Amino acid sequence: EIVMTQSPGTLSVSPGERVTLSCRASQRLSSNLAWYQQKPSQAPRLLIYGASTRATGIPARFSGSGSGTEFTLTISSLQSEDFAVYYCYQYNDWPPGFGQGTKLEIK
Amino acid sequence: EVQVVESGGGLIQPGGSLRLSCAVSGFTVSSNSLSWVRQAPGKGLEWVSVIYAGGHTYNADSVEGRFTFSRDTSKNTVYLQMNSLRAEDTAMYYCARDYYGALNYWGQGTLVTVSA
Repeated sequence: EIVMTQSPGTLSVSPGERVTLSCRASQRLSSNLAWYQQKPSQAPRLLIYGASTRATGIPARFSGSGSGTEFTLTISSLQSEDFAVYYCYQYNDWPPGFGQGTKLEIK
Repeated sequence: EVQVVESGGGLIQPGGSLRLSCAVSGFTVSSNSLSWVRQAPGKGLEWVSVIYAGGHTYNADSVEGRFTFSRDTSKNTVYLQMNSLRAEDTAMYYCARDYYGALNYWGQGTLVTVSA
């Protein structure tokens, strides 16, 4: 089973800043990695799939990159609505699974 | 417009059974794969089960032998039959459409609480 590890657990940032979230897989993946955003009391929202493809309706300030075992989600200029928990998800190997999440909070 | 609507959650005693429903519109369950993902209170996301378009189903080890994923194509609805429920099954259960492996449309979830 592939273990997904996200870092950091919590990140305090100011609006307008650029932020990079990391996700590491315990085994090599292809590009079968997705990123999700979840706000309190809401369902997760798909941001990125295929490691770097933005889902429909996702603003261009969100970008994904990486390959092998190291992946990143970058938000170029944080907006107030971006403060949330972010999860990576691998669907390359069985069983699929999520990282433990990174919480973005307002500094 | 795509919609995913879960129902059937509630309070159930340990060892009991519950069936969750996930009614979809805007796509057909017969041509799409769907997954259940759960989230324990204050915790992260856990993938639970999948039904592929061809009808095959697979479960996470944590629910294997207790949970069964099925579908009714005439109602465009999928179901998660949960038996032998445990306290650790307490969670919000989400149904989501599979998009080449990623999960792109999610319902708002249905809460299952297993407690005496």
